[in-house]
Amino acid sequence: NFMLTQPHSVSESPGKTVTISCTRSSGSIASNFVQWYQQRPGSAPTTVIYEDNQRPSGVPDRFSGSIDSSSNSASLTISGLKTEDEADYYCQSYDSNNRVFGEGTKLTVL
Amino acid sequence: VQLVQSGAEVKKPGESLKISCKGSGYSFTTYWIGWVRQMPGKGLEWLGIIYPGDSDTRYSPSFQGQVTISADKSISTAYLQWSSLKASDTAMYYCVRSGGQLVGHFDLWGRGTLVTVSS
Repeated sequence: NFMLTQPHSVSESPGKTVTISCTRSSGSIASNFVQWYQQRPGSAPTTVIYEDNQRPSGVPDRFSGSIDSSSNSASLTISGLKTEDEADYYCQSYDSNNRVFGEGTKLTVL
Repeated sequence: VQLVQSGAEVKKPGESLKISCKGSGYSFTTYWIGWVRQMPGKGLEWLGIIYPGDSDTRYSPSFQGQVTISADKSISTAYLQWSSLKASDTAMYYCVRSGGQLVGHFDLWGRGTLVTVSS
């Protein structure tokens, strides 16, 4: 089994840009799609990025996803930060046997 | 289009439990239904997934043998059950919809069922 490692927390000011990383411990990050989920306090998660860089309808284009094979990691970038973006963010991917979530990153917009 | 989960449960260690997730507004038999655990103050963990069309099921290696996932397509409902609960099963459990067994994001989430196991 592989693991997905995320920073425990990040913080940034409104209007700025933040990037959250997700590093895969084994296997190529590029071989299996990565999803990103947002979870606001007291709510169920929702998808903000799927298949590495696709946005579901309704998710603003301030959210973008990318893959970097050199660091075997995925990234979620949020530009023009708003206070409503404050939430926990989880990356998720899979292999032939399992779906795995990252431990989650708490984004604080202050 | 929604997944409606059964209500919160309070159980004692050793008791059995079956929680449910009813899909509506879409073809229940053509999407996978999975379960995700979130222990208090912790992250998300994938338990397993079922295809209601033919009951094909896959479990996370971490949860194989710990829980049972089933579905009744005649009433568009999936289930997650325990035969003997432990205090460590205390968590929020979400059902989720996916286009694939391992591939495909969770595009629809239930609101969650809170399970509390305490003596």
